[in-house]
Amino acid sequence: ILNVEQSPQSLHVQEGDSTNFTCSFPSSNFYALHWYRWETAKSPEALFVMTLNGDEKKKGRISATLNTKEGYSYLYIKGSQPEDSATYLCAFGQNFVFGPGTRLSVLP
Amino acid sequence: ETGVTQTPRHLVMGMTNKKSLKCEQHLGHNAMYWYKQSAKKPLELMFVYNFKEQTENNSVPSRFSPECPNSSHLFLHLHTLQPEDSALYLCASSQAPVAGGGDTQYFGPGTRLTVL
Repeated sequence: ILNVEQSPQSLHVQEGDSTNFTCSFPSSNFYALHWYRWETAKSPEALFVMTLNGDEKKKGRISATLNTKEGYSYLYIKGSQPEDSATYLCAFGQNFVFGPGTRLSVLP
Repeated sequence: ETGVTQTPRHLVMGMTNKKSLKCEQHLGHNAMYWYKQSAKKPLELMFVYNFKEQTENNSVPSRFSPECPNSSHLFLHLHTLQPEDSALYLCASSQAPVAGGGDTQYFGPGTRLTVL
């Protein structure tokens, strides 16, 4: 059974702070790592698909890095805004095994 | 809007009822998926359909019965459910089958199911 972990479980930051969280996954047989953003009562929204070791992707104030050899990916948010409040999910592998998510709250 | 719709958004049913969840995607995708999210658990993949054929069934009890009449529509038929089946059920679609791995899945908003 694949084990995908995310840390921290939840995070509270002030508006303007930068923050980051981690997704850990098995380092063998890597295929792809997906990041999603999920706001309450909405659909999960795809952020990034990462496939190569050393990948670094950016979308506005959000960026992600990938280390397949050690089995982790970081998601960074620069200058957090209240609208960034959501649960951030990673999904690993061919069968989309999801981590439990990191719940981010950005306080104005 | 992700291009994936689900109905109903909320459903309350008794253990002896039969109901169906519906998913429709307007993205021209070839693969569709059902996921379950129980309280305090990660999203769990239940079923995968590629080109209308079921290719994955993650040991889901037979009281959940999927149907995919065409690439745009996916149903989850429910009968004799248990209270522990209460959860959020999400549908997703992607261009390539899940064996493609790197293909993004687009999710619907989910159906919140409560079994009494």
